[in-house]
Amino acid sequence: AQSVTQLGSHVSVSEGALVLLRCNYSSSVPPYLFWYVQYPNQGLQLLLKYTSAATLVKGINGFEAEFKKSETSFHLTKPSAHMSDAAEYFCAVSAPPTGNMLTFGGGTRLMVKP
Amino acid sequence: DSGVTQTPKHLITATGQRVTLRCSPRSGDLSVYWYQQSLDQGLQFLIQYYNGEERAKGNILERFSAQQFPDLHSELNLSSLELGDSALYFCASSVATSNEQFFGPGTRLTVL
Repeated sequence: AQSVTQLGSHVSVSEGALVLLRCNYSSSVPPYLFWYVQYPNQGLQLLLKYTSAATLVKGINGFEAEFKKSETSFHLTKPSAHMSDAAEYFCAVSAPPTGNMLTFGGGTRLMVKP
Repeated sequence: DSGVTQTPKHLITATGQRVTLRCSPRSGDLSVYWYQQSLDQGLQFLIQYYNGEERAKGNILERFSAQQFPDLHSELNLSSLELGDSALYFCASSVATSNEQFFGPGTRLTVL
């Protein structure tokens, strides 16, 4: 079975500062990894995904994540935070034998200060 | 807009009652997934259907059931509701061979 740990349930950054949201996974087989964003009272929107191609994945809204197998990590970064980035972010993993079901981390709420 | 629709948006009901949540996947998507988001448990996978057949089961209670119809829409039935069932219920869909899931806006269930 796989699992996901997101370090830091709340992260606060200033506008223009680097955003770093941490995700570590556990999987006995090569995983697929995802980052989703959830704005208040909305569903989840896919930011980016890793599916065993390039280890550095670029997503929407200027976000990117790097898959590091040796560290079992898939941290999400953005060079410069915008106020509109304030939301909850979820890291998720899927892997055989569970197929396509997603296992989510606990989420990180990102706050952006002006 | 992901293309996945869910109805109703909000549902308020009493303990012991039964409700049905509905999901229409994106056009062409054969797989439908149900997830529950609660403060206690976070986001949890409940069940997956593929082209009308159950494909995978997660932490779904026996009081809950789901089905996918020939037109590919899906319904999640929750019965003998308890206060702890209050949560956001999301539906997601994907094409047959893709891991990329598209989420609907959710149904917020409140059990009083």
